[in-house]
Amino acid sequence: QVQLVESGGGVVQPGRSLRLSCAVSGFPFSRYGMHWVRQVPDKGLEWVAVIYWDGSREFYADSVKGRFIISRDNSNNTVYLQMNSLRAEDTAIYYCVRDRFLQFFDYWGQGTLVTVSS
Amino acid sequence: QSALTQPPSVSGAPGQSVTILCTGTSSDIGYYDRVSWYQQSPGAAPKLIIHEVTSRPSGVPDRFSGSKSGNTASLTISGLRAEDEADYFCSSYSSESTFIIFGGGTTLTVL
Repeated sequence: QVQLVESGGGVVQPGRSLRLSCAVSGFPFSRYGMHWVRQVPDKGLEWVAVIYWDGSREFYADSVKGRFIISRDNSNNTVYLQMNSLRAEDTAIYYCVRDRFLQFFDYWGQGTLVTVSS
Repeated sequence: QSALTQPPSVSGAPGQSVTILCTGTSSDIGYYDRVSWYQQSPGAAPKLIIHEVTSRPSGVPDRFSGSKSGNTASLTISGLRAEDEADYFCSSYSSESTFIIFGGGTTLTVL
């Protein structure tokens, strides 16, 4: 079955960096785009970034552009989110999600919590 | 403030129907048939229940249906059950934002 398992979350000070990973199984990873979506606990959802199936293109939300980098390793079925210059407002649960036609997300991971606090 | 507007809460008795509205603009819901709905139970990740305005993924009961009129999308849940109690989020592709925008979410209470 399809599984997306995020890791790498934790508590980090403002201005520091953190890298999230998402290990994928149960489908041909290299054929699908992948996104990161975040959610402040008990609040709404915010799309963060997308990377195309072959890694050829990436797009970012304005709120993270220039600070976050999405990447992927198709040989290891893993997608990453490098988060630099972290701010308090980046505190959220980060979900790894599978793309469908750049229109919707059909599978979600369980999420990993990132807390930015001094 | 979220890009798409949803009511904070709705409620209904078991067996009844409820409709959740999601209002956008002519740059998102009004222009593209790329509206999706997600159900999120407490402590769980969101789950896709409607995509491309009206389509249901395999395994989603036909009690869940979607529609769109102008700049507003709707999710209707008929024959309410206790297990439908959850938060519901709409989303749409937007030409004014980068890719996907979400509504603020609606909490459904089954009375």
